[in-house]
Amino acid sequence: QQQVKQSPQSLIVQKGGIPIINCAYENTAFDYFPWYQQFPGKGPALLIAIRPDVSEKKEGRFTISFNKSAKQFSLHIMDSQPGDSATYFCAASRGTSGSRLTFGEGTQLTVNP
Amino acid sequence: SAVISQKPSRDICQRGTSLTIQCQVDSQVTMMFWYRQQPGQSLTLIATANQGSEATYESGFVIDKFPISRPNLTFSTLTVSNMSPEDSSIYLCSARDSSYEQYFGPGTRLTVT
Repeated sequence: QQQVKQSPQSLIVQKGGIPIINCAYENTAFDYFPWYQQFPGKGPALLIAIRPDVSEKKEGRFTISFNKSAKQFSLHIMDSQPGDSATYFCAASRGTSGSRLTFGEGTQLTVNP
Repeated sequence: SAVISQKPSRDICQRGTSLTIQCQVDSQVTMMFWYRQQPGQSLTLIATANQGSEATYESGFVIDKFPISRPNLTFSTLTVSNMSPEDSSIYLCSARDSSYEQYFGPGTRLTVT
């Protein structure tokens, strides 16, 4: 009930491609869905987040698509660059102050030049 | 957004000793957390650091092994006690602000020999 399943585990694209990372959740009480980007040797950085009252959110080259009925959400990276090579984690929580994040397993993205 | 610093950034410790990790946030936050991350893996929540009261530990983590303090709204410490090589990991401090956005520190890389 608390799981967030993330796929794929790893992803390789060419520069300019649009990698897509998918996450599925089970707990219908979740209403806050952030994505984190982590570079080697660094802590995770909050990239973008969405709440279920919208189906899509864009910030720069990063877009979250949200499908409430399917309990799925995904991250799209437009015009990907080698500097986007990192590990990406999706997460979910209830949007209350006491709720904790449940993380996906992570996706290692490599963008080749 | 909250900026989080951790000290030390890395350490090599001997079996049986203890290490205290400090976490400082640049603004008052509602909640602080401690995570553990093995290389190449997702984040595992150790505990929620509660101001003025005992931390709330996740299953598999106990206070005697991972005592936590949070004396105010911007500072917390995690102690890894009686260390063994299995405690070698990255320990991450995290904080959540009033908007429910959650941020991470750079991590403390611990090696136990």
